[in-house]
Amino acid sequence: GESVGLHLPTLSVQEGDNSIINCAYSNSASDYFIWYKQESGKGPQFIIDIRSNMDKRQGQRVTVLLNKTVKHLSLQIAATQPGDSAVYFCAENNNNDMRFGAGTRLTVKP
Amino acid sequence: DAGVTQSPTHLIKTRGQQVTLRCSPKSGHDTVSWYQQALGQGPQFIFQYYEEEERQRGNFPDRFSGHQFPNYSSELNVNALLLGDSALYLCASSFRPNTEAFFGQGTRLTVV
Repeated sequence: GESVGLHLPTLSVQEGDNSIINCAYSNSASDYFIWYKQESGKGPQFIIDIRSNMDKRQGQRVTVLLNKTVKHLSLQIAATQPGDSAVYFCAENNNNDMRFGAGTRLTVKP
Repeated sequence: DAGVTQSPTHLIKTRGQQVTLRCSPKSGHDTVSWYQQALGQGPQFIFQYYEEEERQRGNFPDRFSGHQFPNYSSELNVNALLLGDSALYLCASSFRPNTEAFFGQGTRLTVV
């Protein structure tokens, strides 16, 4: 079946550097995509979302890029901070069915 | 403004028993979705409730059932518990389906 997947299970960056977390999706019918951050022992926290009629959306220190041609989603975090260390999930939504990937663990080195 | 609240936070049940988990959505939200998250994995969609009806369901057996009340709160029921049902159960709420969803802290269910 179709599923959401992530290219890398772990990512380690230096504090202050920019981070890029990638996600591949295979369901071309998905029309809504979301990035979540999950810290240990907590529920996922909404970061940013994007709909399929857009290719870029910016938030505070975060940018989501959507490439529908290659079915690729990315999350860019500017000036990464120690507090950004967490597991990041991308999720695709198709007809109210939201599917999550396995997640990427981001570690920020001081 | 309270966010999404779930109860209980932790629960231990014996194989074969039944369990009920509860969720109160964020104020102003009318849609509740339930997820199962196994250790080290992403959340898996169980089902979504809107207007007191199940609107969408993931690949989970009929042992998993739910309900939404007129005040938009929701329950997740799991019958005939299996060891493999041990997981973090997450509730997410939104204003209408297919919009920004906010998660609760989850209920950690352990089946022994």
